[in-house]
Amino acid sequence: GAVVSQHPSRVICKSGTSVKIECRSLDFQATTMFWYRQFPKKSLMLMATSNEGSKATYEQGVEKDKFLINHASLTLSTLTVTSAHPEDSSFYICSASPSGGAVGGNYEQYFGPGTRLTVT
Amino acid sequence: SQQGEEDPQALSIQEGENATMNCSYKTSINNLQWYRQNSGRGLVHLILIRSNEREKHSGRLRVTLDTSKKSSSLLITASRAADTASYFCATDLMIYNQGGKLIFGQGTELSVKP
Repeated sequence: GAVVSQHPSRVICKSGTSVKIECRSLDFQATTMFWYRQFPKKSLMLMATSNEGSKATYEQGVEKDKFLINHASLTLSTLTVTSAHPEDSSFYICSASPSGGAVGGNYEQYFGPGTRLTVT
Repeated sequence: SQQGEEDPQALSIQEGENATMNCSYKTSINNLQWYRQNSGRGLVHLILIRSNEREKHSGRLRVTLDTSKKSSSLLITASRAADTASYFCATDLMIYNQGGKLIFGQGTELSVKP
């Protein structure tokens, strides 16, 4: 159980176009999903917290209009990279936290396999 | 930034040896988690240690937590070539009613040579 999928796993797009990445919780409902970005040989940087039915909370330095997040249902969050540029090329990873809150005071998080975006 | 720091950044050992990775963080936490990532792949959750716990074991993994020093260590005993991966610690800053917000350390790249 507790599987999170991402689609696509790999995408190449041209500069100036927009790309949408989907994050789905397959066997549980997730009130909260998180989006991370990872550069080669670097750590994961939290970009934003996505809450179902409300606006995402972005981390400092992350452009809201550049990285559009929509969490329209309890099993799906999408990240759209608008007007992509080569510097947006990265590995994007989502995670999902099951609805119902913490278990014993600790929130479980399940990670998707990641999406490799290359902007040419 | 509240990201933790890990050391060493890279570690190369022979199969059968033990590997120790350390993680330090800056703020109070709800729990600390260790993850593994194979090159270009997603994260695999290894172990979670709560702030009121000092040590936890899972198979060949042993994790310690010292909240007074704001540090944690991950020990992998009797390493295997298949343990080659990057290892990250992540601190859970638990934000009320929003699920845990994880802040990741810089990671340790472990190479186990057969």
